[in-house]
Amino acid sequence: GAVVSQHPSWVICKSGTSVKIECRSLDFQATTMFWYRQFPKQSLMLMATSNEGSKATYEQGVEKDKFLINHASLTLSTLTVTSAHPEDSSFYICSAPSRGTSGVNEQFFGPGTRLTVL
Amino acid sequence: KQEVTQIPAALSVPEGENLVLNCSFTDSAIYNLQWFRQDPGKGLTSLLLIQSSQREQTSGRLNASLDKSSGRSTLYIAASQPGDSATYLCAVRPVGTGTASKLTFGTGTRLQVTL
Repeated sequence: GAVVSQHPSWVICKSGTSVKIECRSLDFQATTMFWYRQFPKQSLMLMATSNEGSKATYEQGVEKDKFLINHASLTLSTLTVTSAHPEDSSFYICSAPSRGTSGVNEQFFGPGTRLTVL
Repeated sequence: KQEVTQIPAALSVPEGENLVLNCSFTDSAIYNLQWFRQDPGKGLTSLLLIQSSQREQTSGRLNASLDKSSGRSTLYIAASQPGDSATYLCAVRPVGTGTASKLTFGTGTRLQVTL
């Protein structure tokens, strides 16, 4: 159980266009989801916390107008990279908390989305 | 602000060797610590989760220990195999932030197990 999916798994777009990435909890509900980005050979950096039915909470230094987050249902959060530029090229990963086999709430991660902006 | 560091950054060992990966964190006020595996271009797979009240957790050839007071955790991999080659990340969850807590990730250790 506790499976998180992402779509698409990879996307290539032209500079200036917008790209939407979906994160879904397949077998559980999540009122909160997290969005991370990861540059090559670096660790995950939290971008924002997605809250169902309310505004997302962004980490310091993350532009909320550039990275639009919508958490419209208990199983879906979307991240839209607006007016994408080459420096936005990265690996984007989402996660959602659920009670794992340990009996404790833990984060379950999606497979990630590779964004390349030309 | 919590900072998580992993040493070494990269490690190459021959198949069959036992190895230890290290994770250190600056703020000992953690709820739990989790070890993940990440294959190139892929998402994260959870390996072990240690609660702050626990000293260690084991799963197959993996053993993770936690010394909260000194801010350290180790991941021990026994009898390493080429299939263990991946990046290993540790992450800490702070106390007092509810069920949907943000994780702080370490810098990762890239492991290569050679034939």
